[in-house]
Amino acid sequence: GENVEQHPSTLSVQEGDSAVIKCTYSDSASNYFPWYKQELGKGPQLIIDIRSNVGEKKDQRIAVTLNKTAKHFSLHITETQPEDSAVYFCAASRNQFYFGTGTSLTVIP
Amino acid sequence: SQTIHQWPATLVQPVGSPLSLECTVEGTSNPNLYWYRQAAGRGLQLLFYSVGIGQISSEVPQNLSASRPQDRQFILSSKKLLLSDSGFYLCAWSVRLENTEAFFGQGTRLTVV
Repeated sequence: GENVEQHPSTLSVQEGDSAVIKCTYSDSASNYFPWYKQELGKGPQLIIDIRSNVGEKKDQRIAVTLNKTAKHFSLHITETQPEDSAVYFCAASRNQFYFGTGTSLTVIP
Repeated sequence: SQTIHQWPATLVQPVGSPLSLECTVEGTSNPNLYWYRQAAGRGLQLLFYSVGIGQISSEVPQNLSASRPQDRQFILSSKKLLLSDSGFYLCAWSVRLENTEAFFGQGTRLTVV
């Protein structure tokens, strides 16, 4: 099956700085890569996604990049705000969704 | 619009007792359905997924089982809970035959004591 690794496990940044979270996957057949944000005690919610035929996608302060050859993808959050503090998960999907182990992001005001 | 309901929100059960967590989806037909477990401070572990009524695939050998008695109903069960079954259980659905996002329920916090 698919194996998704995610780094770092924890990340603290000053408000206004950028945050980068990186993931690698093992199954070259995976073709859909969503990113989820999970707030305490709630289910994860999609924040951005990218497909294997696209190298980069941006939505306001959030961007995702994908390198199919190297089998890694990254989440970039610019101009971080305290409300960005949460746990972020990457995932790789072909039919089922396989998630990384999560990154706990803390934005310090 | 589609919604996913998962209950109960929290549950405290003694070791050796049975378990039944229910998940239903509204506003869509023939969804893929998933059960995930999230242990404290860890990622989302795929437990079961289903592409149709009565069709269950297990990802990891568990003290748990899943059933899909109706198209939009997914049940997670155990005959005898273990302490290690404690965790945050999440149900999710996605559109069948399309590789698009999974939509999650609000989760069930299970504590086995």
